[in-house]
Amino acid sequence: SQQGEEDPQALSIQEGENATMNCSYKTSINNLQWYRQNSGRGLVHLILIRSNEREKHSGRLRVTLDTSKKSSSLLITASRAADTASYFCATDASGSGGTSYGKLTFGQGTILTVHP
Amino acid sequence: DAGVTQSPTHLIKTRGQQVTLRCSPISGHKSVSWYQQVLGQGPQFIFQYYEKEERGRGNFPDRFSARQFPNYSSELNVNALLLGDSALYLCASSVTVLDTQYFGPGTRLTVL
Repeated sequence: SQQGEEDPQALSIQEGENATMNCSYKTSINNLQWYRQNSGRGLVHLILIRSNEREKHSGRLRVTLDTSKKSSSLLITASRAADTASYFCATDASGSGGTSYGKLTFGQGTILTVHP
Repeated sequence: DAGVTQSPTHLIKTRGQQVTLRCSPISGHKSVSWYQQVLGQGPQFIFQYYEKEERGRGNFPDRFSARQFPNYSSELNVNALLLGDSALYLCASSVTVLDTQYFGPGTRLTVL
């Protein structure tokens, strides 16, 4: 079963605009990670935010985490056509409540299309 | 450094057959995880192996099995294939069980 749910399911923007994707989850976590996937290929790790962190930056990416609301957001600033991809949040609840170690639980993803 | 590699890239099988997928982790990584991604869905966790031992198992039937070798590479075996097993199978490696997982390009399995 999917723990995370991304919102929106699809997002279409123009180059240069900002893109914001949201993720909600259900259980306590150790960390939350965002991945990018191009055209059904392998996933590329973007950023990891730990449960005791509230915000993290990496280049044009900004991730926030609100553990009280069990939600996270990914902001991509000044988007480019090359950012077109599916974006997934994945939660790691290793060891919590008997959860298997190393199990990342993914949402269904947000499909981002950036028009040149 | 080379990333995670998987073979084969694509595979076509018929129902009832058996399949073996292979994964080589990033050098220095001792943990390998396997995920199944059905079209239009996010990946679902199948197994994690660390130091040749199973450390985590997802909600998949016993037809799915895996192992890890002394060089930390891994194989995923699926027996008695069903149409519903058609998916992209992703392998990820990490230094230990709790570190960031880096994914390979996947093996696309089609069951006819």
